[in-house]
Amino acid sequence: EIVLTQSPGTLSLSPGERATLSCRASQSVSGSYLAWYQQKPGQAPRLLIYGASSRATGIPDRFSGSGSGTDFTLTISRLEPEDFAVYFCQQYGSSPYTFGQGTKVEIK
Amino acid sequence: EVQLVESGGGLVQPGGSLRLSCAASGFTFSSYAMSWVRQAPGKGLEWVSGISGTGASTYYADSVNGRFTISRDNSNNILYLQMNSLRAEDTAVYYCAKGGGRRTYYFDYWGQGTLVTVSS
Repeated sequence: EIVLTQSPGTLSLSPGERATLSCRASQSVSGSYLAWYQQKPGQAPRLLIYGASSRATGIPDRFSGSGSGTDFTLTISRLEPEDFAVYFCQQYGSSPYTFGQGTKVEIK
Repeated sequence: EVQLVESGGGLVQPGGSLRLSCAASGFTFSSYAMSWVRQAPGKGLEWVSGISGTGASTYYADSVNGRFTISRDNSNNILYLQMNSLRAEDTAVYYCAKGGGRRTYYFDYWGQGTLVTVSS
């Protein structure tokens, strides 16, 4: 099983600032099959990025993904008020299709 | 418009069984893998089980393997999760999620979830 470790656990930033979230895998993720999701309280998760760097339909271009192998990054270039939420990474290269534990982006 | 509507959650005693359903619409159901993902109260996401578009391939997390069974009815566009030998640690909101392709397991659409509570 591939274990995904996200860091930091919590990121305290102000609107307009840049957010950099990390996701590290315990072994290489085949095909860069890595996705990122955003979840707000009481809501289902929303797909942001798949294939490590492809934005999902309707996702603003301030969200970008990068990385390969075992190290992946989600960057939010300029935080908008609606971006404060919890973010999860997920690998879908091999079953079981595991999630990271999440990074909370909170308002400073 | 893609819609996924879960049902079947509720309160069940430890050792009991429950069957979850997910009614899908707005896309060609048989062309996409589907999964169940759960979230315990205040916790993160845990992938539970997945099934390919044809239903020929199924996958399970170690935590549920041998207790849960995923299946699908492509004629009626319904996804199921049969849960047996339930434990307190199975308490969670269970989401139905649509895969990105026939055998692709990132999730581009999610239902609103159904709560399963395992308690005596």
